Amino acid sequence: QVQLAESGGGVVQPGGSLRLSCAASGFSLTNHQMHWVRQGPVKGLEWLAFANYDGTRAFYADSVKGRFTISRDNFNGALYLHMNGLTIEDTAVYHCATDLQWTLASWGQGTLVTVSS
Amino acid sequence: QAVVTQEPSLTVSPGGTVTLTCGSSTGAVSSGHHPSWFQQKPGQAPRALIYDTRNKHAWTPARFSGSLLGGRAALSLSGAQPEDEADYYCLVSYSTTLRVFGSGTKVTVL
Repeated sequence: QVQLAESGGGVVQPGGSLRLSCAASGFSLTNHQMHWVRQGPVKGLEWLAFANYDGTRAFYADSVKGRFTISRDNFNGALYLHMNGLTIEDTAVYHCATDLQWTLASWGQGTLVTVSS
Repeated sequence: QAVVTQEPSLTVSPGGTVTLTCGSSTGAVSSGHHPSWFQQKPGQAPRALIYDTRNKHAWTPARFSGSLLGGRAALSLSGAQPEDEADYYCLVSYSTTLRVFGSGTKVTVL
């Protein structure tokens, strides 16, 4: 059974950085392309980033390009989202999800990031 | 930036049928946009229901179906159950770097 568990969220000041993790269990991360998505109080669901099977190709939404980096450690079954230059607008619950034919098939419960001074 | 629109709220009677739609500010939604649908209940993560316009996941109840309708993606629920009360979101994929969620439809079973 595919299970995803995000961690690493918390409260951070504007301009700060955070690294989110997504632990995969019940399946081999190597076999899945992956996404990060967030759900904020104002913008709703927002797709953020995609990484191919081995992390050699990554795509980003314009809103986070240059600030966020998606990476993965297939050996240890982990996906990451490195976030820099955080603003109040980045406050949201962040989810990782598996890719399946242009959609997001399995989702984790998410981790809350709050950007506040 | 593309905007994806959905009905804010819909009500369906138990056992009834309801159709949710998903439109794009850039024009008609087509199969090339690979529309997909998600269900979200309070306190839970979104759950995938439909992908690539009309394909169901292994866990998708048979009463849900996807289609294209009048230039919009559509999700139909036939034989609504109380447990189908939830928020429903569509996702339109314009490209590998532009994937936009709709604002969601709150479905009430009453």
